[in-house]
Amino acid sequence: SQQGEEDPQALSIQEGENATMNCSYKTSINNLQWYRQNSGRGLVHLILIRSNEREKHSGRLRVTLDTSKKSSSLLITASRAADTASYFCATGLNGGSQGNLIFGKGTKLSVKP
Amino acid sequence: DAGVTQSPTHLIKTRGQQVTLRCSPKSGHDTVSWYQQALGQGPQFIFQYYEEEERQRGNFPDRFSGHQFPNYSSELNVNALLLGDSALYLCASSVSLATNEKLFFGSGTQLSVL
Repeated sequence: SQQGEEDPQALSIQEGENATMNCSYKTSINNLQWYRQNSGRGLVHLILIRSNEREKHSGRLRVTLDTSKKSSSLLITASRAADTASYFCATGLNGGSQGNLIFGKGTKLSVKP
Repeated sequence: DAGVTQSPTHLIKTRGQQVTLRCSPKSGHDTVSWYQQALGQGPQFIFQYYEEEERQRGNFPDRFSGHQFPNYSSELNVNALLLGDSALYLCASSVSLATNEKLFFGSGTQLSVL
């Protein structure tokens, strides 16, 4: 079953614009991560934010986490055509299911040159 | 430093057949997790292996089984293939003390069941 749900399902923007993707989840988490996937290939880890953190930056990426609303957002600033990919949020859970991540369905981002 | 490697990259099977997929984890990693990703969906957790034992399992039938070898590499076996087993199968590796932290993924095996 899916834990995270990304919104929107698809996003199309022009190069240079910012892209914002949102993720909602259902249960208590240990951390939340964002991954990127290019056209049916393996996933690449982008950033991890822990449940006691509210915001984190990495290069052109900014992630926020609101545990009261069980939601997170990923902002990609000054997007490039090379950012075209699918983006997934994944939650690391507390308790008995610590050993795996639960992924959402993803947001498909298209950046037009 | 080699990352996670998976083989084969593509595979075509027919219903009822059996398949074995292989994975070598990133150097220094001892835990391997397998995920199934259907077209247009996010990855779904199948199971995880550590110290040659299945540590955790997702909601997959017993037709899906696995193995981990002393060198930490792993195999995923699927018996009695169904059309619905067609998917991208991803292997991910991590260290045992941080298994819900950052995962390193292989490029996957695309399985088509006809």
